[in-house]
Amino acid sequence: SQTIHQWPATLVQPVGSPLSLECTVEGTSNPNLYWYRQAAGRGLQLLFYSVGIGQISSEVPQNLSASRPQDRQFILSSKKLLLSDSGFYLCAWSAARTGRNNSPLHFGNGTRLTVT
Amino acid sequence: AQKITQTQPGMFVQEKEAVTLDCTYDTSDPSYGLFWYKQPSSGEMIFLIYQGSYDQQNATEGRYSLNFQKARKSANLVISASQLGDSAMYFCAPYRNQFYFGTGTSLTVIP
Repeated sequence: SQTIHQWPATLVQPVGSPLSLECTVEGTSNPNLYWYRQAAGRGLQLLFYSVGIGQISSEVPQNLSASRPQDRQFILSSKKLLLSDSGFYLCAWSAARTGRNNSPLHFGNGTRLTVT
Repeated sequence: AQKITQTQPGMFVQEKEAVTLDCTYDTSDPSYGLFWYKQPSSGEMIFLIYQGSYDQQNATEGRYSLNFQKARKSANLVISASQLGDSAMYFCAPYRNQFYFGTGTSLTVIP
């Protein structure tokens, strides 16, 4: 069965420090990968998605970046964190769409990031 | 990004009663999927139910069902026989090429 691992679960970082959140998927090949952010009490904002190694699409311009160095590894990074980067970050995967069939998103447990 | 509207920021329902959570979306694509997710206070996102735009019948999954009205671009989630464990945030997510989420509805089940 497929599993998704996301770490760390919680993180407190000072403003201006770098960030690296990692997500890995097991039990599937060539997944679509996603990073979402959720501000407190709000909905999910799509940050990045990837349909393959090295293929990253950005939804919202900001000081975050994403990379996919391996098929089942997705990394969210920042060189200098801002206070506004605080939030709940969720990694997710889905199977590639085939015809009219849509695979649901499967989420990791998330990382609560607090920038101080 | 698609425009997704969940007009009920907060809902209350008596235990064992049914409740309907609204979702409307804006898409010109004829082919898409519609997903509903539940987010308890722990933060995890739990997939509940899926409806394909070409599906003729409304989707059902245990106590969850969808009232899908394609012409109105509406896919409301119906939870029957509410339980205390149903208290959570609920998000709808229309899918075409990407998953975009609505702002969510907070459901509280009252004993």
